Amino acid sequence: GDSVTQMEGPVTLSEEAFLTINCTYTATGYPSLFWYVQYPGEGLQLLLKATKADDKGSNKGFEATYRKETTSFHLEKGSVQVSDSAVYFCALYNAGNMLTFGGGTRLMVKP
Amino acid sequence: DAGVIQSPRHEVTEMGQEVTLRCKPISGHNSLFWYRQTMMRGLELLIYFNNNVPIDDSGMPEDRFSAKMPNASFSTLKIQPSEPRDSAVYFCASSLAERSTIYFGEGSWLTVV
Repeated sequence: GDSVTQMEGPVTLSEEAFLTINCTYTATGYPSLFWYVQYPGEGLQLLLKATKADDKGSNKGFEATYRKETTSFHLEKGSVQVSDSAVYFCALYNAGNMLTFGGGTRLMVKP
Repeated sequence: DAGVIQSPRHEVTEMGQEVTLRCKPISGHNSLFWYRQTMMRGLELLIYFNNNVPIDDSGMPEDRFSAKMPNASFSTLKIQPSEPRDSAVYFCASSLAERSTIYFGEGSWLTVV
């Protein structure tokens, strides 16, 4: 079945540091890929998505590129802020109308 | 626009009591999902509906859990009887169609003591 693997956290960075959160997936066919963000005490919000190979999703300074050859969708941001502290979930959406999530990666940004 | 609306936001109940969680999906969305989030297991899909019909309930942990969607604008997740290990955040989510973005509610934070 489909699966998503993302790096375990927590990831602790200083403000303005470069962020990478790795995400790889296993799926048949051509899934759509997503990053969701969960701020403390809140639900999940869509951060960005990509629906086909080589697409780049971007939002709020975050980017991720759909790499079919490496089955990856790594999340990057050039300069993180304290307000980016949250849990980030990589997910894939495949045939059958199911969203499969990774385990989540907690990001802590210190001033 | 209103997002996915869940109630209650927080509930504390005693073991053995019935718990009912409610969800109103985004108007016009035809798919609805119930997820559970815990520290140990992360996010788990419990059940999802398409056009009010349950499509996959393989994630429902046991018979104590049941979910209904009597119409396109309302769904319930019921736990009877509740147990301490059911303590978690329960999220409802909806989407317009297959492969479209899934939108989450803010969750119902359940504590069973």
